[in-house]
Amino acid sequence: EPEVTQTPSHQVTQMGQEVILRCVPISNHLYFYWYRQILGQKVEFLVSFYNNEISEKSEIFDDQFSVERPDGSNFTLKIRSTKLEDSAMYFCASGGVHYDNEQFFGPGTRLTVL
Amino acid sequence: AQKITQTQPGMFVQEKEAVTLDCTYDTSDPSYGLFWYKQPSSGEMIFLIYQGSYDQQNATEGRYSLNFQKARKSANLVISASQLGDSAMYFCAMRVGYSTLTFGKGTMLLVSP
Repeated sequence: EPEVTQTPSHQVTQMGQEVILRCVPISNHLYFYWYRQILGQKVEFLVSFYNNEISEKSEIFDDQFSVERPDGSNFTLKIRSTKLEDSAMYFCASGGVHYDNEQFFGPGTRLTVL
Repeated sequence: AQKITQTQPGMFVQEKEAVTLDCTYDTSDPSYGLFWYKQPSSGEMIFLIYQGSYDQQNATEGRYSLNFQKARKSANLVISASQLGDSAMYFCAMRVGYSTLTFGKGTMLLVSP
């Protein structure tokens, strides 16, 4: 069964460093998302991506964040200068050909900023 | 703005019994979708079940069913015949129109032998 994959599973970085989180969505999906979950809290939406551009973003998704789909299969989230409060689990999700299809989540990348 | 409320921070159930996890939502948009996800201790988010606002029948997926009461704006998840592997965090989420998912705070379910 097709699934969303994410790498790395765990990333440890120093405050102020740039990190890139990688995702490979399900191959025929058209909608892509990033969410984050701070430990013990609910899942929060960051950004959605459709037709090679951002379709929606939350207040969390400030200028430090960017997304890319560089090669038609990968979907990346870049944090330019990490802060301690960026420590969280980051989930990539993808959805099918219709906007109301269910979103399938990847296993997540746990980001720890020291 | 959309809002999802899960009032049960934790629930306990014995193996083989049924359990209902509560979820209420708030939106003024007539077109929306309701989702339930399971998050085990390993951290991944597993899609369980979906209910569209115009669906006439309650959604069912194996042991999972969604008790959708539109007038009350509730979308409770019912798990029949609980198994030890059902122990996890459960999140209710809503999508309105073309927007993305808004999640509730979750309910931790513990299944005891």
